[in-house]
Amino acid sequence: GAVVSQHPSWVICKSGTSVKIECRSLDFQATTMFWYRQFPKQSLMLMATSNEGSKATYEQGVEKDKFLINHASLTLSTLTVTSAHPEDSSFYICSARGHSNNQPQHFGDGTRLSIL
Amino acid sequence: AQTVTQSQPEMSVQEAETVTLSCTYDTSESNYYLFWYKQPPSRQMILVIRQEAYKQQNATENRFSVNFQKAAKSFSLKISDSQLGDTAMYFCALFQGGSEKLVFGKGTKLTVNP
Repeated sequence: GAVVSQHPSWVICKSGTSVKIECRSLDFQATTMFWYRQFPKQSLMLMATSNEGSKATYEQGVEKDKFLINHASLTLSTLTVTSAHPEDSSFYICSARGHSNNQPQHFGDGTRLSIL
Repeated sequence: AQTVTQSQPEMSVQEAETVTLSCTYDTSESNYYLFWYKQPPSRQMILVIRQEAYKQQNATENRFSVNFQKAAKSFSLKISDSQLGDTAMYFCALFQGGSEKLVFGKGTKLTVNP
C-alpha cells in the first residue's frame, strides 16, 4: 500500500531555532500534500495544502511566515517552523495523496515537536 | 460548510464483542467521500474504511463495516469481534472534491477491555 514517511518523529529544540520536518511519499507520486497540527486529545487541524511546484495554500489563522512549506518534488514536502517558541510545541502530521482527488490521504507517523 | 460530528467522546467494549461508533455529517454536495481513520497510542493515522457517496452498498473491510445512511447523513462504524489492538481514537472524516479538504470529527476514544 501507499507509504508516507515523516521525519523526524520527535524533536526537542531551544526557543528561537528553526525546525524542518520532512514528509516523503515512498511508493507513489504525491501531487498534493497536507500538513496538520494536533493538540493533545483533539482532532487534526489542517494547516495548509501544498501542490507540487506551486505555493502552499494556508488555512485561515495560520501564519505563512511562521510555517514555511515547500513541495519541490512529487515525493517530498517540508514544513519549517521558523523561530520556534514554546507555543509551537505540538504534534504535526503530514499526509499525501496521488493525482486524483478521490484517492484517500495517506498519513505519515507524525512529528512531536517540543520547544524549550 | 462541511461539518462532521461524533457525539460519543469515549466508548468501551469487551473483547470479542461488537461496538458501533456514530458519525453524522453535513454537506451541500452530492459527490463526496467518507472515511474512518484509526489513531492508536502511537499516533499514526490509519485508514480503516472508506465509502463513496454514490455507492449505496455499505463498505466492509474484514471486521469493520459501515452503515451509510445518505438521506440521514449518517455514517456509523461497526467493529465486530473487537480485539485489544482496536483500542484507539477513531476519527470520522468527510472529503469533498470541490474543496479538496478532509474535514475530521472530534474523535471517539475506544477502549477494548480484556
